[in-house]
Amino acid sequence: AQTVTQSQPEMSVQEAETVTLSCTYDTSESNYYLFWYKQPPSRQMILVIRQEAYKQQNATENRFSVNFQKAAKSFSLKISDSQLGDTAMYFCAFLDKTSYDKVIFGPGTSLSVIP
Amino acid sequence: ETGVTQSPTHLIKTRGQQVTLRCSSQSGHNTVSWYQQALGQGPQFIFQYYREEENGRGNFPPRFSGLQFPNYSSELNVNALELDDSALYLCASSFMGRRTYGYTFGSGTRLTVV
Repeated sequence: AQTVTQSQPEMSVQEAETVTLSCTYDTSESNYYLFWYKQPPSRQMILVIRQEAYKQQNATENRFSVNFQKAAKSFSLKISDSQLGDTAMYFCAFLDKTSYDKVIFGPGTSLSVIP
Repeated sequence: ETGVTQSPTHLIKTRGQQVTLRCSSQSGHNTVSWYQQALGQGPQFIFQYYREEENGRGNFPPRFSGLQFPNYSSELNVNALELDDSALYLCASSFMGRRTYGYTFGSGTRLTVV
């Protein structure tokens, strides 16, 4: 069974600084997607960034980038120039495409951006 | 383009009662998935509906059931509510095709069972 692990329950960063959130996953599949979702206090899960497993190039979205290490099954998220609005729970997630599109979430990292 | 909408936003029920939660999927999406998120945890997959049929199920008992309608909206029904069913229930829609780009989530329904 696939699992997603986030070893940092809580993190904090000064505004305008850079922070990296860690994620590891376990799967025997080769066809999958990885995601980082943000969940602010409004509760809505917002897609931050997406990585396709067959792509070696790391995905980037403005201030957000990932370090995808397929052999190590590692998928970290780097947030540059942190802003107060980045304060939220961040979930690493794995999409299993073997039979149906079930997304498996990690336990989350609570990120606080300090002014 | 409309997003995913869920109703109600909050709900309080008594143990043993039944509840129905509703979800309207994003325009252009044909698949709806439901997740249970207990306080302080990541969401757990309940089931997915595609073409009005259950397309996959997580580790949830049969008292959790669902429906998908021709307009791709969906319902989650929970019978014989237990205290542990208290959680945030998230609906997510997606397009089932050759390439899947992930889900669009609603803001959830907060269910409290007393």
